[in-house]
Amino acid sequence: GAGVSQSPSNKVTEKGKDVELRCDPISGHTALYWYRQSLGQGLEFLIYFQGNSAPDKSGLPSDRFSAERTGGSVSTLTIQRTQQEDSAVYLCASSWRQTNTDTQYFGPGTRLTVL
Amino acid sequence: GDSVTQMEGPVTLSEEAFLTINCTYTATGYPSLFWYVQYPGEGLQLLLKATKADDKGSNKGFEATYRKETTSFHLEKGSVQVSDSAVYFCALSDLYNNNDMRFGAGTRLTVKP
Repeated sequence: GAGVSQSPSNKVTEKGKDVELRCDPISGHTALYWYRQSLGQGLEFLIYFQGNSAPDKSGLPSDRFSAERTGGSVSTLTIQRTQQEDSAVYLCASSWRQTNTDTQYFGPGTRLTVL
Repeated sequence: GDSVTQMEGPVTLSEEAFLTINCTYTATGYPSLFWYVQYPGEGLQLLLKATKADDKGSNKGFEATYRKETTSFHLEKGSVQVSDSAVYFCALSDLYNNNDMRFGAGTRLTVKP
């Protein structure tokens, strides 16, 4: 497909379990971003990748959150020992380059519910 | 740090009414400014952008002008339609802050026929 895709679209898990969220960026986009959108809140920046490296991980909410990107393409966001406050929509975006002028293209998101 | 403040919603208008959604920003450097829109059941998509002071972004009848003197990027449309009902997010990306995108809280617009 031409756009950013994310899987799963919905994930329901029990507190304490680990979850893995996947993002497939637009082919050729070198930059990839993860955001979190909590109910009634704006978008919270989590992490970005330029190629396979993530220069700034300070946006990750806790050490339970980690992300990786392989082959300059697919990225996974892993949340270990999930908590109820992790419930949110997790959005992925990609852009040609990691600059302040490039448009970010967003995926449809993964809605995570932690029971 | 960089931040975006936008008009709280929800906003409810009648069809053909004039729309303004206010957005102001704080940035270290010289950011690019964006408006993204999220239609019901859909993902975020870019509506318009401006990359330097006094630039005007426009798309689908919406406009916003990058005002450095007032640090603002207000979104306007002269005549809204029911199909414009969505959540609108103002955002900035700052070269001096790793180009991280910072979003406002979003403003929900409902247009009634």
